[in-house]
Amino acid sequence: QVQLVQSGAEVKKPGASVKVSCKASGYTFSTYDISWVRQAPGQGLEWMGWINTFNDNTHYAQKLQGRVTMTTDTFTSTAYMELRSLRSDDTAVYYCARESSTSSSYYFHDWGQGTLVTVSS
Amino acid sequence: SYVLTQPPSVSVAPGQTARISCGGNNIGGKSVHWYQQRPGQAPVVVVYENSDRPSGIPERFSGSNSGNTATLTISRVEAGDEADYYCQVWDSITEVKVFGTGTKVTVL
Repeated sequence: QVQLVQSGAEVKKPGASVKVSCKASGYTFSTYDISWVRQAPGQGLEWMGWINTFNDNTHYAQKLQGRVTMTTDTFTSTAYMELRSLRSDDTAVYYCARESSTSSSYYFHDWGQGTLVTVSS
Repeated sequence: SYVLTQPPSVSVAPGQTARISCGGNNIGGKSVHWYQQRPGQAPVVVVYENSDRPSGIPERFSGSNSGNTATLTISRVEAGDEADYYCQVWDSITEVKVFGTGTKVTVL
């Protein structure tokens, strides 16, 4: 069965960087794209961006442009999300999600378990 | 950017029907997907492409979409349906995935 297993919780100081991993199994990694979604405490879901796991094309949410980088390692079927210049409002649970496509849209069929990133001095 | 608006909360008695709205400009022209998120857990898709259900999702979950409102309907509500629910679309103009504001369903 499809599994997305993420790296463990992180505590970072303001201004630092964090890199979260998402290891996929149960399917051919390069045939489904990966999105990253975050959720601040008590808040809703926020889409961060997407990476094409076949050609590494990316598209990031405008508010994160310049601070986020999404990459993949096809040999280990792992996706990565790096967020730089961390601020307190980046404190959130970060999810990776495997995308599925329909005739006219994209949705998230499988999710990782989430990684809590806490930004605190 | 495209905005999806949901009511913050919906309360329903067990066995009754819960309806959760998702408002957006001409959302009827888009494909809408719905997620259930129980406390402390990752979201799970319960309806995709307006009205299709993934395998394993009960028939009690159904969706519709027309005009400026999409609706997730949960029939014969059970205690286990208590969760947050989010709608989501893909904005083809900006190529951005957008989530609704979320609705907390409380089973009385």
